[in-house]
Amino acid sequence: EPEVTQTPSHQVTQMGQEVILRCVPISNHLYFYWYRQILGQKVEFLVSFYNNEISEKSEIFDDQFSVERPDGSNFTLKIRSTKLEDSAMYFCASSPRLAGGPYGTDTQYFGPGTRLTVL
Amino acid sequence: AQTVTQSQPEMSVQEAETVTLSCTYDTSESDYYLFWYKQPPSRQMILVIRQEAYKQQNATENRFSVNFQKAAKSFSLKISDSQLGDAAMYFCAYRRYSGGGADGLTFGKGTHLIIQP
Repeated sequence: EPEVTQTPSHQVTQMGQEVILRCVPISNHLYFYWYRQILGQKVEFLVSFYNNEISEKSEIFDDQFSVERPDGSNFTLKIRSTKLEDSAMYFCASSPRLAGGPYGTDTQYFGPGTRLTVL
Repeated sequence: AQTVTQSQPEMSVQEAETVTLSCTYDTSESDYYLFWYKQPPSRQMILVIRQEAYKQQNATENRFSVNFQKAAKSFSLKISDSQLGDAAMYFCAYRRYSGGGADGLTFGKGTHLIIQP
């Protein structure tokens, strides 16, 4: 069964450094997402991406964040200048094109996450 | 803005018994999706079950079923014949239907399910 993959599984960085988190969505999926989960808290939506541009973003997704689909398979989240409070688990997800009926399928499939630790 | 509330931070059940996890949500939308995700200690988010708001029939996936009460904005998850592998954090999530696929999920805070052998 196809899966969303993410690399690295764990990233440690110094405050102020730039990090890039990588994701390979499920092939043929068209919508891509990033979420974060600070330890002990709920999962929070960051951004969605479709047709090579940002579709929706939350208030968390400020100017220090950016996303990119540099090629046909990868989807990246860049944090420009990391802060201590950016330490969290970051999940990538993808979902297929809506198909069938008035609503179709609309399930987001999550990757295993990247644990980001900012020191 | 939509909100999702899970009022049970932790639940415990004996193996082989049935447990129900509660979830309520607040929305002004009439069309939306609801999901239950499971997060084991590995922290990967695994879809358990989904429900489309326009469907009156409750979704069922093997031992997992939901009780969807649209008027009450309630979406509980019932796990029958609980197994040790069911131990995990369970998150209820909401997603509005916007005609596209770009909307993010809104999650509740989660319920930690403990299975007693």
